[in-house]
Amino acid sequence: IQLTQSPSSLSASVGDRVTITCRASQGISSYLAWYQQKPGKAPKLLIYGASSLQSGVPSRFSGDGSGTEFTLTISSLQPEDFATYYCQQLNSYSRRVTFGPGTKVDIK
Amino acid sequence: QLQLQESGPGLVRPSETLSLTCTVSGDSISSRNYFWGWVRQPPGKGLEWIGSIYYSGNTHYNPSLTRRVTISVETSKIQFSLKVNSVTAADTAVYYCARHSANWGFADYWGQGTLVTVSS
Repeated sequence: IQLTQSPSSLSASVGDRVTITCRASQGISSYLAWYQQKPGKAPKLLIYGASSLQSGVPSRFSGDGSGTEFTLTISSLQPEDFATYYCQQLNSYSRRVTFGPGTKVDIK
Repeated sequence: QLQLQESGPGLVRPSETLSLTCTVSGDSISSRNYFWGWVRQPPGKGLEWIGSIYYSGNTHYNPSLTRRVTISVETSKIQFSLKVNSVTAADTAVYYCARHSANWGFADYWGQGTLVTVSS
């Protein structure tokens, strides 16, 4: 199963609403997670099960979708949100993990 | 509080074996609720799953790496290891260990990562 993300990068301003899309090459139900990664740091889990917010993650982050198309939305971009975002899935049959190529969010 | 910590040489010669260990504190690798994995990130690039190991000892590997990779649990049950054979410069990356939900696959805890450079 392959994951694609769009856009690959975007420029936005503080306060903007930002949406990132992740598409799977075949249906993956809701086995999708989203991560935020800042330079020099490990990825941080934001969303799991396509739409469940990880404990401690601000509510401005939300996830949606099932099957082959998923979105991560940041409702009001904050300065600390400038980072790269990755989607990730687990193939429940092969048990293989796949990451999307990433979306870099930077300051306009 | 669960913590994961990678350790191992930061420099490996081409054609040799890269060996890393992940030490887990605050949880047991024997838990049925999770599996444990390795992810790497070449400089300036994205995340690449290397492989995973389950409480049962079963392993699953990235098809692109399966011929060169071995993941195992140490007898202490608080460490698991990664070996990559016949390394080249393309194996230069930050290597992360992580804990994944066995049911959903997401990784909720990560090590800080360790940079491994392949160079003569």
